[in-house]
Amino acid sequence: DSGVTQTPKHLITATGQRVTLRCSPRSGDLSVYWYQQSLDQGLQFLIQYYNGEERAKGNILERFSAQQFPDLHSELNLSSLELGDSALYFCASSVGSSHSPLHFGNGTRLTVT
Amino acid sequence: ILNVEQSPQSLHVQEGDSTNFTCSFPSSNFYALHWYRWETAKSPEALFVMTLNGDEKKKGRISATLNTKEGYSYLYIKGSQPEDSATYLCAFTAHGGYNKLIFGAGTRLAVHP
Repeated sequence: DSGVTQTPKHLITATGQRVTLRCSPRSGDLSVYWYQQSLDQGLQFLIQYYNGEERAKGNILERFSAQQFPDLHSELNLSSLELGDSALYFCASSVGSSHSPLHFGNGTRLTVT
Repeated sequence: ILNVEQSPQSLHVQEGDSTNFTCSFPSSNFYALHWYRWETAKSPEALFVMTLNGDEKKKGRISATLNTKEGYSYLYIKGSQPEDSATYLCAFTAHGGYNKLIFGAGTRLAVHP
């Protein structure tokens, strides 16, 4: 158990809808990261937060947004969903220092129909 | 664009065989190299974080080396066991990247009894 909690585990929704994925980091970790894994692709970096502030951004679509709250949990909002957004979305956390390993949650599997 | 390449894509070995695979990354602006092990239906788990040229890390039968000048890292597994079957991911961070990890596509290892 990595200590990182993601909810929900599975989400099935229709095109055009909006969903929110939630992540609680490991106790003591200040950084939260979101990754997307689509079919036949590796882990694609979306965005990173550190202690409530955005630190780094990857190839995150404008339809997607995220935030980290004062209690350090994070939410990833996906809107105007398309079939191609179907993927496994991972949240990870770390202490925040530059060499710290990431601790991954079990992921949320999003299916857009 | 930062590219992290892993080879081979997949590998089948017999129990007891020793094996190794490669991670290539940009040699300029290097900051850290991570290795993760990802078992099916689980989330990635950190194995090693390496930062210095010539670093060698070991955990049980698994070890890793790092060459930052030429931009590669090797992961070795000695005496493979069926429980070593997993996808092994490497990830690169660059200076000023705030621990933003860029992952390779992974090497899928299957160890047959």
